Amino acid sequence: SQTIHQWPATLVQPVGSPLSLECTVEGTSNPNLYWYRQAAGRGLQLLFYSVGIGQISSEVPQNLSASRPQDRQFILSSKKLLLSDSGFYLCAWSADRDHEQYFGPGTRLTVT
Amino acid sequence: KQEVTQIPAALSVPEGENLVLNCSFTDSAIYNLQWFRQDPGKGLTSLLLIQSSQREQTSGRLNASLDKSSGRSTLYIAASQPGDSATYLCAVRGGGSEKLVFGKGTKLTVNP
Repeated sequence: SQTIHQWPATLVQPVGSPLSLECTVEGTSNPNLYWYRQAAGRGLQLLFYSVGIGQISSEVPQNLSASRPQDRQFILSSKKLLLSDSGFYLCAWSADRDHEQYFGPGTRLTVT
Repeated sequence: KQEVTQIPAALSVPEGENLVLNCSFTDSAIYNLQWFRQDPGKGLTSLLLIQSSQREQTSGRLNASLDKSSGRSTLYIAASQPGDSATYLCAVRGGGSEKLVFGKGTKLTVNP
C-alpha cells in the first residue's frame, strides 16, 4: 500500500530564515505530487505540482520554491520566510488526474 | 475562475440522524470532484471521487452525488455517529488541469 510522509510535523521559524519541508511517497512510482497551504480562515491553496522528476509548475507567485530531486521526493523551500508564510502545509500525491489525491499529515509552520 | 462554495459552514446534529452536506461550483466544465474529511490539526482523508461522467458514488454510509449541469454535489451521511465529527471538504478539478479547487468546508458535529 502507498504511504506519504511529511516532516517536520511542526516548525517555528523567525522571519528571514530559510525553510525546507520534505515529502516522500512510498509504494508507488512516478506519482503526481502537490504542495498545498491551508491558512486560517482560508481554503486550501495549491502552491506547486509536479508530474515528473525536475518538472515543477507554480500556481501562486511568492517567495517559495519547490523541487523534485527524486521520483518520490518533493521539497518545499524558501530562502527568507515572511510572516505571511505561516500556515499548515500539506503534501499530496495521485497516480494521475483520473485518480484520487491522497494527503500527508501536514507541517504546521509558524513564522515569528 | 472556478469557485467552490460549501453551505452551511457548520452543522450540528444528534447521533443517528441522516444528513446532507452541500457543495456548489461555478464552472460546470469539471473533470472530477472529490470529497474529503479533515480532523483538527490533521491532513485530509479522501472519502469519495466522482468522475464527471458519473452521477454518484457510494462508500459504506456515505453517498456522494454529482449534477454537473447545475454545478452541485451533495454528500449524504447515513446514521451519523460522533466519530463522523470533522470538517468535510469538497474539491473540483477542471478539465485539462492538475489543480484541485477547494471549498472552505463544512464543520460537522455529531452529538451523542
